[in-house]
Parts: sequence; C-alpha cells; structure tokens
Amino acid sequence: NAGVTQTPKFRILKIGQSMTLQCAQDMNHNYMYWYRQDPGMGLKLIYYSVGAGITDKGEVPNGYNVSRSTTEDFPLRLELAAPSQTSVYFCASGGNTIYFGEGSWLTVV
Amino acid sequence: GENVGLHLPTLSVQEGDNSIINCAYSNSASDYFIWYKQESGKGPQFIIDIRSNMDKRQGQRVTVLLNKTVKHLSLQIAATQPGDSAVYFCAELSGNTPLVFGKGTRLSVIA
Repeated sequence: NAGVTQTPKFRILKIGQSMTLQCAQDMNHNYMYWYRQDPGMGLKLIYYSVGAGITDKGEVPNGYNVSRSTTEDFPLRLELAAPSQTSVYFCASGGNTIYFGEGSWLTVV
Repeated sequence: GENVGLHLPTLSVQEGDNSIINCAYSNSASDYFIWYKQESGKGPQFIIDIRSNMDKRQGQRVTVLLNKTVKHLSLQIAATQPGDSAVYFCAELSGNTPLVFGKGTRLSVIA
C-alpha cells in the first residue's frame, strides 16, 4: 500500500522562487492536511481540506496556497519562497487516525 | 487558543525499564487523543489512540491513560527497547477541528 506519498523528498530553493509540494493518498480519505515541522519542534498546521473543492487555513497559512481538485491530491504551493519557509513539510490524510507521508525537506537560501 | 503540551521535553530510560511520557491538554471539549512516534528523518507514525469515554487503552507494550479530571494523558511503554528511541507526540481532536499536536518528548533509550 502506498498510503501518503510526497514529492520531492528534498529541495533547495532560492529566495523568491516558487514551487509546489505534491501529495497524493490512495486511501480515499476525505480529510487531508499539510503540516510544517521546524527543527526540534512540533507540527504546525498550514492548511487542511475536508474534501474535494474545500480547503481551510490552519495555524500558519501565510506564504502558502493549496488546492483540492480531487480526493487523492492535495498540493501545497509556495509562491515567493522566503528563508522562514525552510522546514520539513508533512502531508497527511485520514479521519480520526491520520497517516503521514515521509516528509519533504525544503531549504530556502 | 487551546493548548496541547508536554511536561517533559526529554526522557532517558534504561533499556528494559518502563517509560512514561506525559501530556497535558487544555481543551475540555477534546474527545479523541492520539500518540504518535516520530523517528529521525521520518514522518509521525500512529501508536495508539483513546476516546474521551475511556480512561485506559492497551496495545502491544504500550498503554495510554487518560485523566479527564486533570486533563492529562500519558503513554506508558513497557520494557523499553533501543528501537523505541524517538520523539513522541500527543495530539487531540475536538469535533471536526484538525488534529492539534503537542511539542513532543524525545525518548532516549540507554543500552
């Protein structure tokens, strides 16, 4: 079972560049989430979605955008990358039990 | 906002001993709690969960205790092994609100 798949695993961006972190799940979950985790810290919710076509802001949405055109996919877009967005990004899906992807390590220089 | 926090940020335990990781929560409306384990370089993995209508739930070598009176959650790991070394997060759910994570406790197992 693939579960939650994130790409890319690692990426280095220059300040001001844009990129999209991809996330796909094959468990037919309605709920999907994007979290970021800074070194030695917990997970902070960026955006979440309760179903296709519906997205909501989490705790730290500034500088990010999401879309949910299908149940399976929930991409996270960074429009103008800033050093403060250097972090590990985790996509997750599920209802009460939430399953996480392996993470995407992003460095903005 | 509501807070999910941990009493101990780090915990060192001798191999074979039992580990107890604690978590405090402040949202009295939370009705579902989860413990996650995160190994270095990996995403969080589900360990065990408990609903608010229970005060104890046991899994394989792990037990979660819930004390709603003092809003306290704990994870007990029996016969701690080196493979248990990781960061452990508690998380809470209230209705349809997204999962809220605590800061985490790093468990180090001393061989």
